[in-house]
Amino acid sequence: QVQLQQSGPGLVKPSQTLSLTCAISGDSVSSDSAGWNWIRQSPSRGLEWLGRTLFRSKWFNEYAVSLRSRITVNPDTSKNQFSLQLNSVTPEDTAVYYCARGGNYSFDYWGQGTLVTVSS
Amino acid sequence: QSALTQPPSASGSPGQSVTISCTGTSSDVGGYNYVSWYQQHPGKAPKLVIYGVSKRPSGVPDRFSGSKSGNTASLTVSGLQAEDEADYYCSSYAGGNNWVFGGGTKLTVL
Repeated sequence: QVQLQQSGPGLVKPSQTLSLTCAISGDSVSSDSAGWNWIRQSPSRGLEWLGRTLFRSKWFNEYAVSLRSRITVNPDTSKNQFSLQLNSVTPEDTAVYYCARGGNYSFDYWGQGTLVTVSS
Repeated sequence: QSALTQPPSASGSPGQSVTISCTGTSSDVGGYNYVSWYQQHPGKAPKLVIYGVSKRPSGVPDRFSGSKSGNTASLTVSGLQAEDEADYYCSSYAGGNNWVFGGGTKLTVL
């Protein structure tokens, strides 16, 4: 059974960097059939796909166009986890952030969610 | 504003069937057979109930079914049960390594 366990701070100051980690059990971040995604949910923006990392003979990192200048998703093979960094946050980045495993062009396992509030 | 359009609410009595629609464009729903549906109970993470338009993951009751016609996908929940009361979201692959979601439908079991 795949399980995803998220960790990271719930409060970030404006202009700073949001950092979250998603630890994987029951699968591998280096799997050649899965992608490892970040998705957020807010009342104003609904569900929004942010980006992913996946291994297909080499690593690929893919991002939503609207966030491409601010986002980084990276794998950590030594710890079997992946991370999200979102730079220069504003209050509009306040949301519940989820990590999720992707396969068959859908998201079949989700982390527990982390409410991140951007406020001074 | 979400890329895919869903009705904000739907309802049905126990045992009845209810269908939720999800309208996109030829660039997402209409262009790919990669529509998925998620059930979300309050305070919980979304749960995949349909993928690939009409496929059910292991463990999802066959009361859940999906279909698509043109730019509109649909989720039907048959034999409604109290535990089906939740928010439901559709999603579609939109090309260019991008996914879009609907705004969600609150399903009430009367």
